[in-house]
Amino acid sequence: GAGVSQTPSNKVTEKGKYVELRCDPISGHTALYWYRQSLGQGPEFLIYFQGTGAADDSGLPNDRFFAVRPEGSVSTLKIQRTERGDSAVYLCASSGTGFTGELFFGEGSRLTVL
Amino acid sequence: AQKITQTQPGMFVQEKEAVTLDCTYDTSDQSYGLFWYKQPSSGEMIFLIYQGSYDEQNATEGRYSLNFQKARKSANLVISASQLGDSAMYFCAMRSSGSEKLVFGKGTKLTVNP
Repeated sequence: GAGVSQTPSNKVTEKGKYVELRCDPISGHTALYWYRQSLGQGPEFLIYFQGTGAADDSGLPNDRFFAVRPEGSVSTLKIQRTERGDSAVYLCASSGTGFTGELFFGEGSRLTVL
Repeated sequence: AQKITQTQPGMFVQEKEAVTLDCTYDTSDQSYGLFWYKQPSSGEMIFLIYQGSYDEQNATEGRYSLNFQKARKSANLVISASQLGDSAMYFCAMRSSGSEKLVFGKGTKLTVNP
């Protein structure tokens, strides 16, 4: 498809487990973003990639969270030793060179940590 | 620090009428951009409209217009001729010039009644 694709759409895991969430951005978009949306809140910034490198990771909450984008396209958000507080929808977005720099979001990956 | 405030948790409007969704922001930056996104139940964030801080004209995109009052630091979204498909969460967001980080408000849930 032409939009941002995220997998899995739903992930249920147990506390302490490792989780990977994948994002496939719009073809040709060099900028990629991860946001986290908790229930009843707006999305919160986690990390921004320009190409293969993380240009801004100031939103990652702690060292259990890590993200990669090895070939400048698909990105994976990795969460180690998951905690119940990590339960949220993880949104991925990409952007091109449009005037406003608006972001194009995927439908998100809903993570539930039991 | 930047902050977005959306004071209306929920709004109701009759089909074909206009509705205004409020947004105020706080920033010490001189150059910034303001965005509105729509989030239907599918979860995907859909870009609606953008206003630059130096733009003298209010932005318009079809049935959407942004009532930008810089001195009051407000950026209200006006939806004209509401449609049933407009029922969704609406988020106001801002980004400072030179930053890739979008800061979102908590959102307003709009319900359009037939």
